[in-house]
Amino acid sequence: DAGITQSPRHKVTETGTPVTLRCHQTENHRYMYWYRQDPGHGLRLIHYSYGVKDTDKGEVSDGYSVSRSKTEDFLLTLESATSSQTSVYFCAISSSTRVPRVFGPGTRLTVL
Amino acid sequence: EDQVTQSPEALRLQEGESSSLNCSYTVSGLRGLFWYRQDPGKGPEFLFTLYSAGEEKEKERLKATLTKKESFLHITAPKPEDSATYLCAVERSTPFGTGTSLTVIP
Repeated sequence: DAGITQSPRHKVTETGTPVTLRCHQTENHRYMYWYRQDPGHGLRLIHYSYGVKDTDKGEVSDGYSVSRSKTEDFLLTLESATSSQTSVYFCAISSSTRVPRVFGPGTRLTVL
Repeated sequence: EDQVTQSPEALRLQEGESSSLNCSYTVSGLRGLFWYRQDPGKGPEFLFTLYSAGEEKEKERLKATLTKKESFLHITAPKPEDSATYLCAVERSTPFGTGTSLTVIP
Protein backbone atom coordinates (compact mmCIF):
# COMPACT_ATOMS: atom_id res chain seq x y z
CA ASP A 1 0.00 0.00 0.00
CA ALA A 2 1.01 3.58 -0.48
CA GLY A 3 3.64 4.67 2.04
CA ILE A 4 4.59 1.26 3.36
CA THR A 5 6.42 -1.60 1.71
CA GLN A 6 7.60 -5.01 2.82
CA SER A 7 10.39 -7.16 1.49
CA PRO A 8 10.59 -9.86 0.49
CA ARG A 9 6.98 -10.55 -0.42
CA HIS A 10 7.49 -14.29 -0.50
CA LYS A 11 10.18 -16.45 1.06
CA VAL A 12 10.77 -20.16 1.46
CA THR A 13 13.46 -21.21 3.87
CA GLU A 14 14.58 -24.21 5.85
CA THR A 15 14.30 -24.92 9.55
CA GLY A 16 17.19 -23.48 11.52
CA THR A 17 18.15 -20.73 9.10
CA PRO A 18 18.02 -17.04 10.04
CA VAL A 19 15.46 -14.86 8.27
CA THR A 20 15.06 -11.08 8.21
CA LEU A 21 11.96 -9.30 6.98
CA ARG A 22 12.05 -5.61 6.22
CA CYS A 23 9.38 -2.97 6.55
CA HIS A 24 9.91 0.47 5.06
CA GLN A 25 7.63 3.50 5.45
CA THR A 26 7.66 6.91 3.85
CA GLU A 27 5.01 8.44 6.15
CA ASN A 28 7.32 9.39 9.05
CA HIS A 29 4.91 7.67 11.47
CA ARG A 30 6.08 7.11 15.03
CA TYR A 31 4.65 3.64 15.63
CA MET A 32 5.55 0.55 13.63
CA TYR A 33 4.27 -2.97 14.21
CA TRP A 34 4.88 -6.54 13.14
CA TYR A 35 1.93 -8.95 13.12
CA ARG A 36 1.51 -12.50 12.01
CA GLN A 37 -1.74 -13.84 10.62
CA ASP A 38 -2.70 -17.49 10.78
CA PRO A 39 -6.00 -19.24 10.09
CA GLY A 40 -8.10 -19.43 13.23
CA HIS A 41 -5.92 -16.98 15.16
CA GLY A 42 -6.40 -13.71 13.40
CA LEU A 43 -3.76 -11.01 13.58
CA ARG A 44 -1.36 -11.34 16.50
CA LEU A 45 1.16 -8.72 17.54
CA ILE A 46 4.80 -9.84 17.55
CA HIS A 47 6.68 -6.65 18.37
CA TYR A 48 6.11 -2.96 18.00
CA SER A 49 8.20 0.19 18.03
CA TYR A 50 7.32 3.62 19.39
CA GLY A 51 10.43 5.37 18.12
CA VAL A 52 13.97 4.84 16.88
CA LYS A 53 15.60 2.16 19.04
CA ASP A 54 12.45 1.95 21.19
CA THR A 55 10.73 -1.41 20.87
CA ASP A 56 8.52 -3.64 22.97
CA LYS A 57 7.18 -7.17 22.86
CA GLY A 58 3.75 -8.22 21.73
CA GLU A 59 1.83 -11.33 22.64
CA VAL A 60 3.77 -13.77 20.40
CA SER A 61 7.34 -12.46 20.57
CA ASP A 62 9.17 -15.70 21.40
CA GLY A 63 11.60 -16.61 18.62
CA TYR A 64 11.52 -13.12 17.10
CA SER A 65 13.65 -10.01 17.50
CA VAL A 66 13.31 -6.55 15.98
CA SER A 67 15.39 -3.49 15.34
CA ARG A 68 14.64 0.07 14.36
CA SER A 69 17.71 2.17 13.64
CA LYS A 70 15.88 4.68 11.45
CA THR A 71 12.35 6.08 11.58
CA GLU A 72 11.50 4.54 8.24
CA ASP A 73 12.77 0.99 8.72
CA PHE A 74 11.63 -1.77 11.06
CA LEU A 75 13.29 -5.17 10.76
CA LEU A 76 11.92 -8.48 12.02
CA THR A 77 14.43 -11.30 12.52
CA LEU A 78 13.82 -14.96 13.07
CA GLU A 79 17.15 -16.09 14.51
CA SER A 80 16.52 -19.77 13.76
CA ALA A 81 13.34 -20.34 11.80
CA THR A 82 10.96 -23.13 12.81
CA SER A 83 8.00 -24.62 10.95
CA SER A 84 5.63 -23.00 13.47
CA GLN A 85 6.76 -19.64 12.14
CA THR A 86 5.27 -20.36 8.73
CA SER A 87 2.78 -17.54 8.39
CA VAL A 88 1.86 -14.31 6.67
CA TYR A 89 3.65 -11.37 8.26
CA PHE A 90 2.24 -7.86 8.13
CA CYS A 91 3.96 -4.65 8.98
CA ALA A 92 1.84 -1.68 9.98
CA ILE A 93 2.24 1.94 11.01
CA SER A 94 0.39 4.62 12.91
CA SER A 95 1.14 8.19 13.88
CA SER A 96 -0.47 8.52 17.28
CA THR A 97 -2.45 5.48 18.39
CA ARG A 98 -1.35 2.06 19.56
CA VAL A 99 -3.52 0.39 16.96
CA PRO A 100 -2.22 0.43 13.40
CA ARG A 101 -3.81 2.62 10.75
CA VAL A 102 -2.00 1.44 7.61
CA PHE A 103 -0.86 -2.07 6.82
CA GLY A 104 1.74 -3.25 4.36
CA PRO A 105 1.03 -5.84 1.67
CA GLY A 106 2.38 -8.75 3.71
CA THR A 107 5.18 -11.30 3.45
CA ARG A 108 4.32 -14.95 3.03
CA LEU A 109 6.99 -17.01 4.81
CA THR A 110 7.22 -20.77 4.51
CA VAL A 111 9.64 -22.69 6.73
CA LEU A 112 10.25 -26.23 5.55
CA GLU B 1 -7.79 -10.71 30.27
CA ASP B 2 -8.67 -8.30 27.45
CA GLN B 3 -10.51 -10.05 24.68
CA VAL B 4 -12.18 -9.24 21.37
CA THR B 5 -14.75 -11.62 19.87
CA GLN B 6 -16.38 -11.30 16.47
CA SER B 7 -19.54 -12.97 15.22
CA PRO B 8 -20.63 -14.56 13.05
CA GLU B 9 -17.47 -16.17 11.67
CA ALA B 10 -18.98 -16.19 8.20
CA LEU B 11 -21.98 -14.52 6.63
CA ARG B 12 -23.51 -14.99 3.19
CA LEU B 13 -25.93 -12.35 1.97
CA GLN B 14 -27.87 -11.79 -1.20
CA GLU B 15 -27.11 -8.51 -2.90
CA GLY B 16 -29.30 -5.88 -1.26
CA GLU B 17 -29.90 -7.91 1.91
CA SER B 18 -28.88 -5.75 4.87
CA SER B 19 -27.30 -7.25 7.99
CA SER B 20 -24.96 -6.55 10.90
CA LEU B 21 -21.62 -7.87 12.13
CA ASN B 22 -20.78 -7.92 15.83
CA CYS B 23 -17.59 -7.18 17.75
CA SER B 24 -17.79 -7.68 21.51
CA TYR B 25 -14.96 -6.76 23.84
CA THR B 26 -13.93 -7.17 27.44
CA VAL B 27 -11.47 -4.33 27.86
CA SER B 28 -11.31 -2.00 30.81
CA GLY B 29 -10.96 1.66 29.96
CA LEU B 30 -11.63 1.46 26.23
CA ARG B 31 -9.68 4.13 24.36
CA GLY B 32 -10.78 3.28 20.85
CA LEU B 33 -12.34 0.53 18.76
CA PHE B 34 -11.23 0.09 15.17
CA TRP B 35 -12.82 -1.61 12.18
CA TYR B 36 -10.89 -2.86 9.15
CA ARG B 37 -11.66 -4.56 5.88
CA GLN B 38 -9.32 -7.22 4.51
CA ASP B 39 -9.43 -8.57 0.97
CA PRO B 40 -7.82 -11.95 0.18
CA GLY B 41 -4.05 -11.73 -0.14
CA LYS B 42 -3.89 -8.14 1.10
CA GLY B 43 -3.26 -6.29 4.32
CA PRO B 44 -6.18 -4.91 6.32
CA GLU B 45 -7.56 -1.53 5.32
CA PHE B 46 -8.67 0.87 8.02
CA LEU B 47 -12.37 1.79 8.02
CA PHE B 48 -13.44 3.47 11.27
CA THR B 49 -12.44 4.47 14.76
CA LEU B 50 -15.03 4.76 17.53
CA TYR B 51 -14.16 6.25 20.90
CA SER B 52 -17.26 6.46 23.05
CA ALA B 53 -20.59 4.69 23.57
CA GLY B 54 -23.26 6.08 21.29
CA GLU B 55 -20.82 7.17 18.63
CA GLU B 56 -21.58 6.28 14.99
CA LYS B 57 -19.48 6.51 11.82
CA GLU B 58 -20.61 5.95 8.22
CA LYS B 59 -18.90 5.22 4.94
CA GLU B 60 -20.94 4.39 1.87
CA ARG B 61 -23.02 1.30 2.77
CA LEU B 62 -21.27 0.75 6.10
CA LYS B 63 -22.18 2.18 9.48
CA ALA B 64 -20.32 1.39 12.69
CA THR B 65 -21.86 1.88 16.13
CA LEU B 66 -20.47 1.45 19.64
CA THR B 67 -21.94 0.53 23.03
CA LYS B 68 -20.14 -0.11 26.30
CA LYS B 69 -19.69 -3.80 25.50
CA GLU B 70 -19.82 -4.18 21.74
CA SER B 71 -19.70 -2.62 18.34
CA PHE B 72 -21.81 -3.34 15.29
CA LEU B 73 -20.93 -2.92 11.65
CA HIS B 74 -24.18 -2.48 9.76
CA ILE B 75 -24.15 -3.16 6.04
CA THR B 76 -27.05 -1.64 4.13
CA ALA B 77 -28.00 -3.01 0.71
CA PRO B 78 -24.62 -4.72 0.22
CA LYS B 79 -23.05 -5.26 -3.18
CA PRO B 80 -20.71 -8.07 -4.27
CA GLU B 81 -17.74 -5.72 -3.93
CA ASP B 82 -18.42 -5.54 -0.19
CA SER B 83 -17.31 -9.18 0.07
CA ALA B 84 -14.27 -9.28 2.37
CA THR B 85 -13.24 -10.18 5.89
CA TYR B 86 -14.07 -7.50 8.44
CA LEU B 87 -11.83 -7.21 11.48
CA CYS B 88 -12.13 -5.24 14.70
CA ALA B 89 -9.50 -4.30 17.28
CA VAL B 90 -9.27 -2.21 20.42
CA GLU B 91 -6.52 0.19 21.45
CA ARG B 92 -4.47 -2.14 23.57
CA SER B 93 -1.94 -4.78 22.71
CA THR B 94 -4.68 -7.37 22.51
CA PRO B 95 -5.08 -9.48 19.42
CA PHE B 96 -7.47 -8.49 16.70
CA GLY B 97 -10.74 -10.32 16.48
CA THR B 98 -10.59 -13.28 14.11
CA GLY B 99 -12.96 -11.53 11.76
CA THR B 100 -16.22 -12.08 9.92
CA SER B 101 -15.94 -13.34 6.37
CA LEU B 102 -18.69 -11.67 4.36
CA THR B 103 -19.80 -12.98 0.99
CA VAL B 104 -22.38 -11.02 -1.00
CA ILE B 105 -24.01 -13.04 -3.75
CA PRO B 106 -25.22 -11.24 -6.90
